[in-house]
Amino acid sequence: LAKTTQPISMDSYEGQEVNITCSHNNIATNDYITWYQQFPSQGPRFIIQGYKTKVTNEVASLFIPADRKSSTLSLPRVSLSDTAVYYCLVGRLSSGSARQLTFGSGTQLTVLP
Amino acid sequence: DTEVTQTPKHLVMGMTNKKSLKCEQHMGHRAMYWYKQKAKKPPELMFVYSYEKLSINESVPSRFSPECPNSSLLNLHLHALQPEDSALYLCASSFGGRDRTNTGELFFGEGSRLTVL
Repeated sequence: LAKTTQPISMDSYEGQEVNITCSHNNIATNDYITWYQQFPSQGPRFIIQGYKTKVTNEVASLFIPADRKSSTLSLPRVSLSDTAVYYCLVGRLSSGSARQLTFGSGTQLTVLP
Repeated sequence: DTEVTQTPKHLVMGMTNKKSLKCEQHMGHRAMYWYKQKAKKPPELMFVYSYEKLSINESVPSRFSPECPNSSLLNLHLHALQPEDSALYLCASSFGGRDRTNTGELFFGEGSRLTVL
């Protein structure tokens, strides 16, 4: 299983763009990169997933360079409610089977007024 | 319905008690998971069920016993726990089927907070 490394914490101000980078040097060819958000005393919630280049949805963008050894989660114009722990996960997406996903240490994002 | 429901939300038990945590989903998912999360730590994978069969056991002590009675239900039976087993226990499910559009997204419940005295 690919190991991920993220900054332990980040601070930002409301309205700013936040970029959280995750390192996954031993990512395998079949691995996808997935990001989850977790608020205190709640289960993690899926944010975005990608394999290469750039993926964008209504809440975030995910940038993945050609070598796929890192990825960057970009949150545009954060608000106080985006204060949470953000986890980067790397794992295989196999049809017909469950996923063995291991959470890394996560990044505590604190958005300040 | 995109919910994973866990009961109870809070549980306090003594070291000699036997209790169970329950998890239910009605999304037709065929993979279900138990994670354990200690305060300020990431979730740790405990068990994975695929098509109602145990496919992964991450060397979890036998005092934790999972059970998957059907495709919608997942239980975690607890017996002779230790105070260090106090944690938030998270259940999750994913599609787990043969579908090229499947993102593999895990849907988590709110968790059951367990305190062992």
